[in-house]
Amino acid sequence: NAGVTQTPKFRVLKTGQSMTLLCAQDMNHEYMYWYRQDPGMGLRLIHYSVGEGTTAKGEVPDGYNVSRLKKQNFLLGLESAAPSQTSVYFCASRSARFNQPQHFGDGTRLSIL
Amino acid sequence: DQQVKQNSPSLSVQEGRISILNCDYTNSMFDYFLWYKKYPAEGPTFLISISSIKDKNEDGRFTVFLNKSAKHLSLHIVPSQPGDSAVYFCAASDDSNSGYALNFGKGTSLLVTP
Repeated sequence: NAGVTQTPKFRVLKTGQSMTLLCAQDMNHEYMYWYRQDPGMGLRLIHYSVGEGTTAKGEVPDGYNVSRLKKQNFLLGLESAAPSQTSVYFCASRSARFNQPQHFGDGTRLSIL
Repeated sequence: DQQVKQNSPSLSVQEGRISILNCDYTNSMFDYFLWYKKYPAEGPTFLISISSIKDKNEDGRFTVFLNKSAKHLSLHIVPSQPGDSAVYFCAASDDSNSGYALNFGKGTSLLVTP
């Protein structure tokens, strides 16, 4: 009963390093999303995908890239990490059917020194 | 530009009483509204939703009310239980948005005391 699985759960990076966050869902959902949550803020959309091979920018896309090579996976990349990217990152997925909720993973806590 | 607003950062309620969490939105194109519950170190969990064609939706102890003319929705929890203590996020989406992306409020931290 996995749902949405995010790896890793925690990571500490130095400024300028790169890394990839992985999101996997086993619900055969068409749509997938990456959000970030900062203290005292709601979740803000970084990028999303409406299907395999397609991605689009959200509200705060700068400094991030994404790829969706397989339907079940959605990768978020930081090419050159900056302290402003210290955050908790959440992945979500949903069905393409009308009026369906998004289902979230448990997040990746990322600190950039 | 915050399109979904939760103006109460926190709320404290006694066990057994009603909890009322409020949410306002500014975008008249929003047509699907959701409430999520979040415990520390976990992801948001879907709680209940409502379509813009309805004004009320119930699921057990949870009821969501939508007032489109006021651009306001509320979540009622009756009776409140200590396990309901969590952060509650209001979210909204616009059907014309091809990605059905959600716009979130900043959350309301609910504490239910015994």
